[in-house]
Amino acid sequence: EAGVTQSPTHLIKTRGQQVTLRCSPISGHTSVYWYQQALGLGLQFLLWYDEGEERNRGNFPPRFSGRQFPNYSSELNVNALELEDSALYLCASSYRQGRYNEQFFGPGTRLTVL
Amino acid sequence: AQKVTQAQTEISVVEKEDVTLDCVYETRDTTYYLFWYKQPPSGELVFLIRRNSFDEQNEISGRYSWNFQKSTSSFNFTITASQVVDSAVYFCALRRYNFNKFYFGSGTKLNVKP
Repeated sequence: EAGVTQSPTHLIKTRGQQVTLRCSPISGHTSVYWYQQALGLGLQFLLWYDEGEERNRGNFPPRFSGRQFPNYSSELNVNALELEDSALYLCASSYRQGRYNEQFFGPGTRLTVL
Repeated sequence: AQKVTQAQTEISVVEKEDVTLDCVYETRDTTYYLFWYKQPPSGELVFLIRRNSFDEQNEISGRYSWNFQKSTSSFNFTITASQVVDSAVYFCALRRYNFNKFYFGSGTKLNVKP
């Protein structure tokens, strides 16, 4: 069974640009989560999508947005990039609301903003 | 509010030593789930274990063991006879019952030296 996949693996952008990151969940999973992990820091929760809807949002500015498609894949968009947006962006997926819903993570997209 | 605290930022041990990673959580919920994840240098988080709040039985899996104590709101993780391959950042997380959002601790970086 394929795991969570993310693309691209690495990305270099300059300040002010826009970026789109992509995530494909494990087959059967309907929930997708996005996290930001800046260098040396912990996981900061960004967004949670389930069944195409945004369920919860972390404490990030509106220039961080995303969506989930009917096939449950997801995109994370970041507009007007700032230097501090440089980080590893991790996507995770899980089954919908239920009991044993551990999240399974993808390999991440490393974004560098110059 | 939910909160997970991993007070140990970084731990260094010599191979074959035992090491315990601490995790303390806060929640007013009576039903919840606790998790441990491992993040090796490659970046992808690997799920290690899930515990339910109503099951305080400790668990052992090879060199790994987990001690869950509701009385002290702790869910500690012990690695016996540590190996260099155990070097990683370890995250503890809390999830509320029937709400898929995870609350991660800040992580503990474990360095196992040969």
